[in-house]
Amino acid sequence: ETGVTQTPRHLVMGMTNKKSLKCEQHLGHNAMYWYKQSAKKPLELMFVYNFKEQTENNSVPSRFSPECPNSSHLFLHLHTLQPEDSALYLCASSQLWTRSREQYFGPGTRLTVT
Amino acid sequence: AQSVAQPEDQVNVAEGNPLTVKCTYSVSGNPYLFWYVQYPNRGLQFLLKYITGDNLVKGSYGFEAEFNKSQTSFHLKKPSALVSDSALYFCAVRDPGSGNTGKLIFGQGTTLQVKP
Repeated sequence: ETGVTQTPRHLVMGMTNKKSLKCEQHLGHNAMYWYKQSAKKPLELMFVYNFKEQTENNSVPSRFSPECPNSSHLFLHLHTLQPEDSALYLCASSQLWTRSREQYFGPGTRLTVT
Repeated sequence: AQSVAQPEDQVNVAEGNPLTVKCTYSVSGNPYLFWYVQYPNRGLQFLLKYITGDNLVKGSYGFEAEFNKSQTSFHLKKPSALVSDSALYFCAVRDPGSGNTGKLIFGQGTTLQVKP
């Protein structure tokens, strides 16, 4: 595997379900990010992790719970979601301590909440 | 407040013609600027970046971007468009106040449509 991978690619869940999204980066990076991309809206940064420590929570509802067990893996645990949470969830990673710190993105998980 | 604007929702161009996708920014200090492309049902792909130095930056797939400090712009260009360039393009600037998080501020995106 290369780059940033995300599983599953598609997920349909009911409002009472609990599911998790997984992200793995194979780039040796030490920062990871979750974004939400909804139709007709700009990308919304949700969470930032540096060296496994959460450094940003962008006022995300508690029904989204991130977990970063190490610098290569990032999870987003989902429970009691709402239909408006349906979106493309993108994971990204970057290398800290470089000038540019450009982010590399995974293909995303298309989430539909019914 | 830091911001990025992409003034056009959509740009249409004929195959073989030059293309420009516009981006302007507003940040304090020196900006670190990026362009990303998103194909349907895919994540964002890094195209190019401006950090410092030459104002004309070359990137992937024949794209380039010109940094203009006086106009606070970072327009994406390509001399000859291909149908396969049709996609959604995002301009982004690194938030200088984000410390070491590397947080990016994205524009709203511009859809590029290249017609044969």
